[in-house]
Amino acid sequence: EIVLTQSPATLSLSPGERATLSCRASQSVSSYLAWYQQKPGQAPRLLIYDTSTRATGIPARFSGSGSGTDFTLTISSLEPEDFAVYYCQQRSIWPPVTFGQGTRLEIK
Amino acid sequence: QVQLQESGPGLVKPSEALSLTCNVSGDSVSSATYYWSWIRQPPGKGLEWIGNVYYSGTTNYNPSLNSRVSISVDTSKNQFSLTLTSVTAADTAIYYCARDIAPGRGSPRLDPWGQGTLVTVSS
Repeated sequence: EIVLTQSPATLSLSPGERATLSCRASQSVSSYLAWYQQKPGQAPRLLIYDTSTRATGIPARFSGSGSGTDFTLTISSLEPEDFAVYYCQQRSIWPPVTFGQGTRLEIK
Repeated sequence: QVQLQESGPGLVKPSEALSLTCNVSGDSVSSATYYWSWIRQPPGKGLEWIGNVYYSGTTNYNPSLNSRVSISVDTSKNQFSLTLTSVTAADTAIYYCARDIAPGRGSPRLDPWGQGTLVTVSS
């Protein structure tokens, strides 16, 4: 099973700042890495798939990068609505499909 | 647009079976492009993939649940279902259904998701 490790567990930033979230895989997942955003009481929402492709309707301030085992989600300038929990997910070597444990992005 | 909606009992007794259905609108579960998936999230915790089903009935399951889980598809009703047997308190979670891309049909991604349904295991 591929283990995805996200860091940091919690990130405290202010609106307008740049956020950098990391996801490391226990073995290569090629480019099949996706990112999701989850707000309280809501289902997760797809942000990025295939490492760097933004899903429909996702603002350009969200970007993804990486390859192999190391991936990054960057939010260039935080908006108030961006404070949420973010999960990475792989479906390269499966089953099972696996998720990271999440990074909580909170307002400083 | 595509919408998924989970339904089923919100309370299940320990040792019994949990059964949920995901109704799909705006798309067809008979499409060869997609897998139809179940994911769960214990309160306050992270996401766990349960498994998926293809229109043909082919399934993939999380090995950690493999002996207790069954997912099926009903093309006549445009829905798919989850059954989890011998439940315990550890199975208390929000259960989500979601659409994924089948291998060879594009890059995998879970989108969209249903709103989720909370299932509590308690006597």
